[in-house]
Amino acid sequence: QQKVQQSPESLIVPEGGMASLNCTSSDRNVDYFWWYRQHSGKSPKMLMSIFSNGEKEEGRFTVHLNKASLHTSLHIRDSQPSDSALYLCAASDQGGRALIFGTGTTVSVSP
Amino acid sequence: NAGVIQTPRHKVTGKGQEATLWCEPISGHSAVFWYRQTIVQGLEFLTYFRNQAPIDDSGMPKERFSAQMPNQSHSTLKIQSTQPQDSAVYLCASSLERVGAETLYFGSGTRLTVL
Repeated sequence: QQKVQQSPESLIVPEGGMASLNCTSSDRNVDYFWWYRQHSGKSPKMLMSIFSNGEKEEGRFTVHLNKASLHTSLHIRDSQPSDSALYLCAASDQGGRALIFGTGTTVSVSP
Repeated sequence: NAGVIQTPRHKVTGKGQEATLWCEPISGHSAVFWYRQTIVQGLEFLTYFRNQAPIDDSGMPKERFSAQMPNQSHSTLKIQSTQPQDSAVYLCASSLERVGAETLYFGSGTRLTVL
């Protein structure tokens, strides 16, 4: 069964610092990767998606994807206390299977 | 757009009782998913429907869990003879379609506590 592995489990980042999160899929059929963010007590919300090799930037968030290694990373620059949340990586293929999520990285931004 | 609506927000049952959870997807979305989330296991896929038809229930514990989607505006997840290990937040999500690249929109979840 497909697995999505995330690291680290948790991360403490000073306000204004850079957070780097990693995610790898064990399924070679995976084509699409997402990053979802879940604030405490709330439901997950899609943050960014990446489907092609390379890099994608949206504001303070940058996502990288290496399809050969099935590895994606999320980088948050100039981290803010509002970025404190659980970050979930998810993957799927073109066959229409449901999204499979990793167990997440908890990011805490310290003022 | 009210988003995905889940009811009830909280449910407490005694061991052995039945629990029914409800989900109303976003209007116009054709795919509906059920996940459950715990601290230990994270966000686990249970089952999903496309155009009301069951597509994949590979994550469902077979004996006590069942899901239905009788019409395009609601889906239910039923757990018979609930056990303490069923305690979790059950999340419903919907998407426009399910051919690979669509974003999932989650409801606020139902927190099930089995005493």
